[in-house]
Amino acid sequence: AQSVAQPEDQVNVAEGNPLTVKCTYSVSGNPYLFWYVQYPNRGLQFLLKYITGDNLVKGSYGFEAEFNKSQTSFHLKKPSALVSDSALYFCAVFNTDKLIFGTGTRLQVFP
Amino acid sequence: DAGITQSPRHKVTETGTPVTLRCHQTENHRYMYWYRQDPGHGLRLIHYSYGVKDTDKGEVSDGYSVSRSKTEDFLLTLESATSSQTSVYFCAISPVTSGRATDTQYFGPGTRLTVL
Repeated sequence: AQSVAQPEDQVNVAEGNPLTVKCTYSVSGNPYLFWYVQYPNRGLQFLLKYITGDNLVKGSYGFEAEFNKSQTSFHLKKPSALVSDSALYFCAVFNTDKLIFGTGTRLQVFP
Repeated sequence: DAGITQSPRHKVTETGTPVTLRCHQTENHRYMYWYRQDPGHGLRLIHYSYGVKDTDKGEVSDGYSVSRSKTEDFLLTLESATSSQTSVYFCAISPVTSGRATDTQYFGPGTRLTVL
């Protein structure tokens, strides 16, 4: 069965520092991987996806993610965090018309 | 929110009562989804629809039913609400390419349901 795991419930980072939010996956075949962000009292918003090709995927708001097949990981990164990046982040994998989500990681960026 | 509205946005109800949540889209997308979001569980799929009158179960479908009589509306019904169904419910749509759902989904603003 396809699944993703987010090992950290919360990540804390100081503004201006680089951030990483971790995601590992378990899929059969080629993975279609996603990151979504949820701001307070809002629905999820699409950030970026990996389908095939370049292992470094660039997305919205300066975020990027690195696909690593040998480590079965798809970590979300940003070179310099902003306080406004504080939100809940979800990793997901696409499986036959459906998305399967991880449990989410809360990112807190401190001024 | 990609032309998706959900109603009501907030609801408080009592155990044992039926509840219907509505998802409305303005862009005639074929695929629509209902999720629930709970702390520690992320988003879990309840039911989804791939066309008018075409629906299928997700991983947490027990206690829920859905209907889709028009392309633009996807209804989620809690037949007899229980406290375990207290949650935030999200609707999503997925555009179609070559007859199948594309991988990217777009979400509505959510409905916060409290069952007392």
